[in-house]
Amino acid sequence: SQTIHQWPATLVQPVGSPLSLECTVEGTSNPNLYWYRQAAGRGLQLLFYSVGIGQISSEVPQNLSASRPQDRQFILSSKKLLLSDSGFYLCAWSGRVWNSGANVLTFGAGSRLTVL
Amino acid sequence: AQSVTQLGSHVSVSEGALVLLRCNYSSSVPPYLFWYVQYPNQGLQLLLKYTSAATLVKGINGFEAEFKKSETSFHLTKPSAHMSDAAEYFCAVSGPNTNAGKSTFGDGTTLTVKP
Repeated sequence: SQTIHQWPATLVQPVGSPLSLECTVEGTSNPNLYWYRQAAGRGLQLLFYSVGIGQISSEVPQNLSASRPQDRQFILSSKKLLLSDSGFYLCAWSGRVWNSGANVLTFGAGSRLTVL
Repeated sequence: AQSVTQLGSHVSVSEGALVLLRCNYSSSVPPYLFWYVQYPNQGLQLLLKYTSAATLVKGINGFEAEFKKSETSFHLTKPSAHMSDAAEYFCAVSGPNTNAGKSTFGDGTTLTVKP
């Protein structure tokens, strides 16, 4: 069966410090991978998605970047965190079939980032 | 373009009462519709999905939803609420040939279950 791991689960970082959140998927190949941010009391905002190694699409211009160094690894980074980067970050994957709109998203447990 | 409106950011019911969470969608193409649940400090997990088969969709934990094209609705129901149903619920819409990750999510409805 497929599993998705995300870490760290919680972190507190000072403004201006770097960030690295990691996500790995097991039990599947060639997944579509996604990073979402969920602000308190709000819905999900798609930040980045990737359909293959080294292929990253950014949905929202911001202080963050993403990389996919391996097929099942997705990393969210920042060189200098801002207060506004605080939030709950979710990694997700979906299968890649012809009718991709029907694909289900499978989410990781999330990483809660607090920037002070 | 697609959009989702979840009516009511907070819903409170008594244990054993009917749960009704409302979702209306807008889509220029035949939609695929989803309900996800999020427990505190966890990721989202799929409750159920509609992909143009039966209009009444049954999901996990006793939840079901009915696709009503004439009303552009996909409301989530459960006949009898349990304390364990307390969570946040998200409705989402996507279309054919749409990257699943580009599904449009509603803002969520927080369900509280009172003893």
